[in-house]
Amino acid sequence: GQQLNQSPQSMFIQEGEDVSMNCTSSSIFNTWLWYKQDPGEGPVLLIALYKAGELTSNGRLTAQFGITRKDSFLNISASIPSDVGIYFCAALNQAGTALIFGKGTTLSVSS
Amino acid sequence: KAGVTQTPRYLIKTRGQQVTLSCSPISGHRSVSWYQQTPGQGLQFLFEYFSETQRNKGNFPGRFSGRQFSNSRSEMNVSTLELGDSALYLCASRLTDLEKLFFGSGTQLSVL
Repeated sequence: GQQLNQSPQSMFIQEGEDVSMNCTSSSIFNTWLWYKQDPGEGPVLLIALYKAGELTSNGRLTAQFGITRKDSFLNISASIPSDVGIYFCAALNQAGTALIFGKGTTLSVSS
Repeated sequence: KAGVTQTPRYLIKTRGQQVTLSCSPISGHRSVSWYQQTPGQGLQFLFEYFSETQRNKGNFPGRFSGRQFSNSRSEMNVSTLELGDSALYLCASRLTDLEKLFFGSGTQLSVL
């Protein structure tokens, strides 16, 4: 089936550092999404990508839709303590009927 | 505007019991989806309802079922609970595009 391989599984960084995480698949997708889940809450959409090669920013967050349509990357610049949480990549399945999620990257930020 | 509301927040059940979870979507949203989140498998799609009809279904056994009412509120039922059903169950609603899903805070189900 369609799977999204997200890495790294977890990251421990210092406040102010930049962060990179990525998501790959053996399948091609037409839409890539990045979500953040705070402790005790549901995921919240951060960035949506619709075109191969597209680079989109949302504040300190920047995401890219890979040119092969099989991967996506998320960068967070100058991390702050409230960036703590689980970041998920997601893609629309081939039938367009549901979202497939990666297993998440847990980010910890120490001040 | 109120967000997606899920009740209860926490639930403890024993094996073999059944459970019903409730979800109230954002006002005006007619589509409600359910996802199961576990540490090992991440988020997995259960089913989606639109206008009281199940529109799509994930790869879960028949013990997992749902329904949607005329006011768009949705319930999810799990019968004959197993230990492996322990998870965070997330409900999400949307108005239009599938990628514009709004998630609730979830119901944390523990099966003992």
